[in-house]
Amino acid sequence: DAGITQSPRYKITETGRQVTLMCHQTWSHSYMFWYRQDLGHGLRLIYYSAAADITDKGEVPDGYVVSRSKTENFPLTLESATRSQTSVYFCASTGGHEQYFGPGTRLTVT
Amino acid sequence: AQKITQTQPGMFVQEKEAVTLDCTYDTSDQSYGLFWYKQPSSGEMIFLIYQGSYDEQNATEGRYSLNFQKARKSANLVISASQLGDSAMYFCAMREGYRGSARQLTFGSGTQLTVLP
Repeated sequence: DAGITQSPRYKITETGRQVTLMCHQTWSHSYMFWYRQDLGHGLRLIYYSAAADITDKGEVPDGYVVSRSKTENFPLTLESATRSQTSVYFCASTGGHEQYFGPGTRLTVT
Repeated sequence: AQKITQTQPGMFVQEKEAVTLDCTYDTSDQSYGLFWYKQPSSGEMIFLIYQGSYDEQNATEGRYSLNFQKARKSANLVISASQLGDSAMYFCAMREGYRGSARQLTFGSGTQLTVLP
């Protein structure tokens, strides 16, 4: 499928577990992003990547790890999930001005 | 200081009327971009409109227009002839810098628009 996809769409995990959220885009965009959305905060940038093997922290990176070995994939890993990481996670990519967003992953940490 | 401020948590508009959603921004960059996204109850983020800081004319996309007032640092979204399907959360966002910059967006907290029949 063309576009940007995220998996899983829904995930429930326990405190302390590692969980990886996947993001895949078919446009070969250089830039990719991870945001989290919480009530009252809009979207906040976790990490971004300007190209394969180039990543950098955003506004709220603590507790998260990213990698980008291929242009089309940008996985986000929660190394040891905490309840404060319960959120909706959006992946996005851009090749120009506007960013295109994936459908989001709703993560619940119990 | 907040970089993007949306002062209207919720707005109501009658169907077929126009509505303006407010957005003010704060940046010291000369080159920046302003965006509006729509998030319906289904949750996806839909790009609506973009305005570059050097664009002399206000951006328009169908029923959406961006009222860009650079001196006042405001970038209000105007939706003309509101439809029931316009009911959604609307986010204003800014990208600071241009070429060579990281291109990440900073979002406001959003405005929940409800269109009344």
